[in-house]
Amino acid sequence: DGGITQSPKYLFRKEGQNVTLSCEQNLNHDAMYWYRQDPGQGLRLIYYSQIVNDFQKGDIAEGYSVSREKKESFPLTVTSAQKNPTAFYLCASSLTSGGLDTQYFGPGTRLTVL
Amino acid sequence: GQNIDQPTEMTATEGAIVQINCTYQTSGFNGLFWYQQHAGEAPTFLSYNVLDGLEEKGRFSSFLSRSKGYSYLLLKELQMKDSASYLCAAPRTSGDSNYQLIWGAGTKLIIKP
Repeated sequence: DGGITQSPKYLFRKEGQNVTLSCEQNLNHDAMYWYRQDPGQGLRLIYYSQIVNDFQKGDIAEGYSVSREKKESFPLTVTSAQKNPTAFYLCASSLTSGGLDTQYFGPGTRLTVL
Repeated sequence: GQNIDQPTEMTATEGAIVQINCTYQTSGFNGLFWYQQHAGEAPTFLSYNVLDGLEEKGRFSSFLSRSKGYSYLLLKELQMKDSASYLCAAPRTSGDSNYQLIWGAGTKLIIKP
């Protein structure tokens, strides 16, 4: 079955540690996205990638980093510079970028900083 | 700037009909998406409207009025499994990250027996 996988589902981190969230898709989509979801707020765009080896900052990129070395993979690193990292992180992909193609989401990773 | 507004929470009765509204303020328009999100899960796509009018998909319908900057999601014959948040999103039309989606905060729908 085609889809998007994220791992782990739950992640706990101590303050000052970097952590990497995995996102893999086998839909052959060019575009991939990382969002952060906090209670009472809409999804906020962290980074997006329109094609392999290219990515752009979204609205809240500070304290985060990404890479896109393979079409299928778009890992997100939450660095110690992110002041309030506890949140639900969602990865998505679409056939092309530009917001006009439907985005399909992975199951999410809930990150808690202890 | 661009903004999307939705009611925070709505309550409805099993078997009834509910309408969830979404208003948007954008300088241009490239369509509007609706997603369903159960608690702790991923959003799943429901509909995409780019032309005015009502589009029906089974128990769910979505309406768009571009002149009024307004959309609604209509859910009929409500079932308990429809308890979820409903997210409205539209592509940006200017600025950084142009064409990327801007999201409403979501409407939490509570279905009572």
